[in-house]
Amino acid sequence: GAVVSQHPSRVICKSGTSVKIECRSLDFQATTMFWYRQFPKKSLMLMATSNEGSKATYEQGVEKDKFLINHASLTLSTLTVTSAHPEDSSFYICSARGGEREQFFGPGTRLTVL
Amino acid sequence: GESVGLHLPTLSVQEGDNSIINCAYSNSASDYFIWYKQESGKGPQFIIDIRSNMDKRQGQRVTVLLNKTVKHLSLQIAATQPGDSAVYFCAENADAGNNRKLIWGLGTSLAVNP
Repeated sequence: GAVVSQHPSRVICKSGTSVKIECRSLDFQATTMFWYRQFPKKSLMLMATSNEGSKATYEQGVEKDKFLINHASLTLSTLTVTSAHPEDSSFYICSARGGEREQFFGPGTRLTVL
Repeated sequence: GESVGLHLPTLSVQEGDNSIINCAYSNSASDYFIWYKQESGKGPQFIIDIRSNMDKRQGQRVTVLLNKTVKHLSLQIAATQPGDSAVYFCAENADAGNNRKLIWGLGTSLAVNP
């Protein structure tokens, strides 16, 4: 299957700082990328869908000014958690789709906000 | 076990036995279904998929059954191994305008006893 990477794999930051997470499709062009959030022992929660070159579509209840998404190229999407607070601590997962139905998932990023 | 309520259901099996994980989906218009495996601290990994025009599909040691009448999906794992221990999610692919997105089940934790 196709490979999707995320960087960093884990990050610890102080409250009030911003954190950027990168999601890359390594061997295919991703027309659509998805960002998910996952709490312990819970299912994945879709945060937003981003198409290359256009604004992301956010799910209901997700603050677009809090979670900035940029999908500047067909192989890279970034999620920036602005002014992070402890309640933003979570496991963030991206996925990428190149046109077919299947989504390929990244390994996830563990964010801990102190 | 069924993915109901807020608690992650757990299925415990003996090594070598067959496992059956069940999932009820919500959207009768969904036309594509996927099973994912997620190990602790990692992103979801594709296992097997099935389109709505089929009722059974087999892979290596895994079989997915789809019953559209009762909106039920199951994953059968033959000769379960310790490496199969993980959380298993079903997902249905729903068409939301131009953005097809996944709707996730709550997940079932599979524990394989040696």
